[in-house]
Formats: sequence, C-alpha cells, structure tokens
Amino acid sequence: AQKITQTQPGMFVQEKEAVTLDCTYDTSDQSYGLFWYKQPSSGEMIFLIYQGSYDEQNATEGRYSLNFQKARKSANLVISASQLGDSAMYFCAMQHTGSEKLVFGKGTKLTVNP
Amino acid sequence: NAGVMQNPRHLVRRRGQEARLRCSPMKGHSHVYWYRQLPEEGLKFMVYLQKENIIDESGMPKERFSAEFPKEGPSILRIQQVVRGDSAAYFCASSPGTGLDYGYTFGSGTRLTVV
Repeated sequence: AQKITQTQPGMFVQEKEAVTLDCTYDTSDQSYGLFWYKQPSSGEMIFLIYQGSYDEQNATEGRYSLNFQKARKSANLVISASQLGDSAMYFCAMQHTGSEKLVFGKGTKLTVNP
Repeated sequence: NAGVMQNPRHLVRRRGQEARLRCSPMKGHSHVYWYRQLPEEGLKFMVYLQKENIIDESGMPKERFSAEFPKEGPSILRIQQVVRGDSAAYFCASSPGTGLDYGYTFGSGTRLTVV
C-alpha cells in the first residue's frame, strides 16, 4: 500500500535560516512521482516542487530543493533563507505511474519566527 | 488565464440538507479530481472524472456522495443529507492529461460546515 509519513507535526525556524521538512514514503513500485505542496492559512494548495523516481538530480525550484534518497525512500523538502511568508502547512504527496491519485501525508506546520 | 475555480468558497448546511460544490477546471483541462481534507489531515482522493465520465470513484463514500462532469458546465460534487462528519474542505484539481507528465492545478477549495 502507498503511504506517506511526515513525522514532524510542527517545525520552527528563524527568519533567513534553512529548514528541512521530512517525508518518507512506502511503495513497492519503481515508477512514481513525489510532490510538495504549501497550504497557507488562507487554505489554497500551492504546488512547490516535483521529483520523479528516475530523476538522477535532486529537484530545485528557487529557494526550494528536494533531498531525494531513493534507497531510504525519503524526499525531504529544504527551504533556504526562510521568510515570514513561508509560515504554512506543508504536505508531501506521491503519485504512481498509471495512477491518477495523489496520496498525501498529514502535513507539517512550519512557523518562521522573526 | 483563470485557474481552477471553485464555488462557493464557504458553505454552511444544516444536517439533512444537500450540499452542491462546483468546480470549473482550467481552460484546456479535461480531467477533474476531487479531494477531501478533514481537519488536521492531508487531502484524500475521492473521485476522478473526465467529461461525462466517472473514471475512478474508489475514494467516494458509498452513500450520499455523487459527482458529475457534464459536457457543458462545471463539475459538481453533491452530498445529500449531510451529516456533521461531512464538515471538511473539498478541493478540486484539474489537469490537461493523465500521468506524471501533467501536473495538477488545485482550486482554492470549498469549506463545508454542517451545523
């Protein structure tokens, strides 16, 4: 069964510092994609970054990077130079090739302190 | 180029009433997905539709819930005889194709409160 585990219910970081949000996944498939979404207090789901299981390079998008360790089945999100506007819920999700479903973790609430 | 439009943004219903949630996909997107987010939880898949067809409804509760995506007009998620446990945020997403090559675009969600 597909499962996403986010073990950190809440994280705190000082403004301008980097923070890592953990995500591990469970799958027996070889082909899949991993996603991170941000959900601010206003409630919308904002796509941040995507990593394919066969991608050799870790994905990066601006201040976001994905630390993908396939053997460990982990896909941690790294946010560099945190900003106050980064305070939000962050969800890790997985989709298998051939499936149209995204499976989400329970999320991590990030608070950026000034 | 408008994104995925969901309305209403907030919906309050009394127990036993019907709730109708609307989703207009992005222009050019023919694939629509509905997800439900219970308080303190991640999103959970409910149903996947293409125009006039339900492709996968494996996440839909067996009773009271239905979804459609007609040839013309928005996709509708319908909840009959709502109960307190239906209170949640309901998100719609759309994509132009299937598979990992096509990303989802989510709407802003409808927050349903059953009183």
